[in-house]
Amino acid sequence: KQEVTQIPAALSVPEGENLVLNCSFTDSAIYNLQWFRQDPGKGLTSLLLIQSSQREQTSGRLNASLDKSSGRSTLYIAASQPGDSATYLCAVNYGQNFVFGPGTRLSVLP
Amino acid sequence: GAVVSQHPSWVICKSGTSVKIECRSLDFQATTMFWYRQFPKQSLMLMATSNEGSKATYEQGVEKDKFLINHASLTLSTLTVTSAHPEDSSFYICSAAQTGSEKLFFGSGTQLSVL
Repeated sequence: KQEVTQIPAALSVPEGENLVLNCSFTDSAIYNLQWFRQDPGKGLTSLLLIQSSQREQTSGRLNASLDKSSGRSTLYIAASQPGDSATYLCAVNYGQNFVFGPGTRLSVLP
Repeated sequence: GAVVSQHPSWVICKSGTSVKIECRSLDFQATTMFWYRQFPKQSLMLMATSNEGSKATYEQGVEKDKFLINHASLTLSTLTVTSAHPEDSSFYICSAAQTGSEKLFFGSGTQLSVL
């Protein structure tokens, strides 16, 4: 069964800290993996997309890594800001279906 | 847990025809539903936000007359791709926000191929 888990479920940090969000998946035959953020009452915003052949992607203060063999991806957020507060979801694309993780709720305190 | 049913899971149609995709929340009410699409090797992108009983809100670059969204009840939203063209071939997925909750639940997606 294809499952995606995320740790931690919730995280609260003071502004300026670097932090890591974790995503694990049971089936390593992935097509790609994506990280999204969800703001309350809004749809998903795509942050980073990593193809199965890639090991990491960077966008601004965000860096996502992928280790297919171990079934893990991490999202690194540098110098966190209150505006980063949101729920972060990872989604594994297996070609014909997506499996979403449950999300990590991040609160960055000013 | 909450379940969102999306139907059909895949569809092949001829160019110029219209295709309707349904998104149902099976065991909860969803005031708001979202529609996304993903082209091959690209990120999943939000197309529109569907609100029960009112007009959908479309993201920039999404043609509202081409992608008709109807959210007539608290458990059903439909996306109709009108006059489909081969470039509309994509993976479409919906998500539903449980009323009173921030949590999103996702459909399993629809793979549309327009010949």
